[in-house]
Amino acid sequence: DSGVTQTPKHLITATGQRVTLRCSPRSGDLSVYWYQQSLDQGLQFLIQYYNGEERAKGNILERFSAQQFPDLHSELNLSSLELGDSALYFCASSSRGTNSYEQYFGPGTRLTVT
Amino acid sequence: GENVEQHPSTLSVQEGDSAVIKCTYSDSASNYFPWYKQELGKRPQLIIDIRSNVGEKKDQRIAVTLNKTAKHFSLHITETQPEDSAVYFCAAASYGKLTFGQGTILTVHP
Repeated sequence: DSGVTQTPKHLITATGQRVTLRCSPRSGDLSVYWYQQSLDQGLQFLIQYYNGEERAKGNILERFSAQQFPDLHSELNLSSLELGDSALYFCASSSRGTNSYEQYFGPGTRLTVT
Repeated sequence: GENVEQHPSTLSVQEGDSAVIKCTYSDSASNYFPWYKQELGKRPQLIIDIRSNVGEKKDQRIAVTLNKTAKHFSLHITETQPEDSAVYFCAAASYGKLTFGQGTILTVHP
């Protein structure tokens, strides 16, 4: 167990809908990272937050957004869902700010868009 | 941006043999190189990492080597066991982002 929690574990929804994925980092970690893992794209970095502020952005679609709250948990919002958004979504946390040292992954949320 | 290439995509070995997975990266600013092991349906788990000021690091049966000049790093697993079977990902960190390789499916046959 990495200490990073994610809810829900599974999510099934229809195209065009909006969902929210939630992540709680390890105790004391200030950075949260979101990743998308699909069969054909591997592990893709989406976005990083550090202590409530956006720090780095990867291949995140405009339909996706994220935020980190004062208690350091983070939410990833996915809207206008398409079939191609079906994937495993992981969050990871680390204690460092700008540098990606020792990221620990949560169990993931499996999103299925039908 | 950073680009990480990982080889081979699949690797099959007999129990007790060694396994080597290789990665190359493109961004000379990358300074941190972790390796993750992912079992089917599970989260990636950090198994070993190396920073750019070190050439080699070992932890029991696993070791990682880094050649900054050539921009490549490798994972070495000795005395492989069936429980080592998983997907292994390398990654390179640059400016706050981890870029992952495409993964290597390692199968260890008893």
